[in-house]
Order: sequence, then structure tokens, then C-alpha cells
Amino acid sequence: EVQLLESGGGLVQPGGSLRLSCVASGLTFSTNAMGWVRQAPGKGLEWVSSISDSDGRTYYEDSVKGRFTISRDSSKNTLSLQMSSLRAEDTAVYYCVKPHCGATSCSRVDYWGQGTLVTVSS
Amino acid sequence: QSALTQPASVSGSPGQSITISCAGTSSDVGGYNFVSWYRQNPGKAPKLIIYDVTRRPSGVSDRFSGSKSGDTASLTISGLQAEDEADYYCSSHRNSRNLGVFGTGTKVTVL
Repeated sequence: EVQLLESGGGLVQPGGSLRLSCVASGLTFSTNAMGWVRQAPGKGLEWVSSISDSDGRTYYEDSVKGRFTISRDSSKNTLSLQMSSLRAEDTAVYYCVKPHCGATSCSRVDYWGQGTLVTVSS
Repeated sequence: QSALTQPASVSGSPGQSITISCAGTSSDVGGYNFVSWYRQNPGKAPKLIIYDVTRRPSGVSDRFSGSKSGDTASLTISGLQAEDEADYYCSSHRNSRNLGVFGTGTKVTVL
């Protein structure tokens, strides 16, 4: 059974930074693309970022480019999202996901973590 | 990102069938057979219930079925049950994007 366990969420002031982590189990982490999807309170789902399995290629939603960095550590089965210059509109539940990716894009999400809440507020 | 368009809400009585639409363009829904559907119960993470327009992951009830016509995809829930009350989201690959796009979401109410 695939399990994705996020941590690192919390309250942060505008302009601040936060690092989310996700530990994966039940899958061969090194051979799977991974990603993050977020959901603002009462709102819909939005892709944030993904990282490929082999060459570490990364993709970002335009709204987070230059502020967020996705990375992975296959020795620890861990996915990370470093978030900086946070804004109020980044407030959301952040889900760690295992997507299904083609050669140049990821769309379908096969597995979801339970999510971690990030609140950006003064 | 411009979201795919879904109705805000759909309702039905137990035992009935309902259909949720997901409208896109030829750059996403209409151009590729990469439409997925997710169910999200209150306070929970979404769960994949349909992928590649019509396919069901193992363990998903056959009461859920997907289809597509032109630029619009649809999810049909047959034999509606109280437990089907949830939010439902579609998603699709979109040309020129490296990340998919989600629909606006539909709240299903069982009367």
C-alpha cells in the first residue's frame, strides 16, 4: 500500500519561509515522479510542482516559480518543498502526490497524502 | 492556470444516476484521452476514481463511469448512495503545460 506522509506545515508570516517534507512508502521511490498539489480553504485543487524520477527534471506552476523549490532524496524516500517569500495566497493544504507522468508532463495523480496546512498570516 | 469548468453542484436521490460534466478545449480535454476524476470526502484527501477518460483503478466501484464527447468529459454515478456525497474534480493534460489542470469542482448532494 502506497503511503505518503507530509510534515512541516504551520503558521508563517508573509515574506517568510517554510519547508515541507513527505516520506513515501509502499513504492519504489527512486523510479517514480513525485509532486505537490495544494488546495486553498474552500477552494479547488491546484498543481504546485513536480519532479521526475530519473533526471530530476522539475516543473512549477507560474505562481510559485522562483519562490518554491522541489527536491528529492531517494536514500531517505523523501520529497521536499522549500517555500520562500510566502504570500497570503499561498495559504492552503499542501498534498504530497505520486503523479503519473509522460515524457514532458504530469497530469493524473495516482496517490495522495493526507495533506499539511500552511497558513501565511501576520 | 485556467481551470476546466464543472457545475458547482449536482444532486440526486438514492438509486438514481447523476452526471457531472467537465468542459475544456481542444488543447486539453478534447485533444487528449488523459482525463481523470477524483472524489474528495469532507476533510479528506482526494482519491482517483477514473483515469484515461474511462478506466477505473482497482477497487473502485463500477457504479462510477467516465466518458468524453468533443471538449467535454463526463462522470456518471449510477445507483447513487448516501456515501457518494462528496466533492468531485476532473483533471486533464493541457497542451503546452508541464503540469495538468484541474476542474473547478462539483459538490454532489444525495437528497
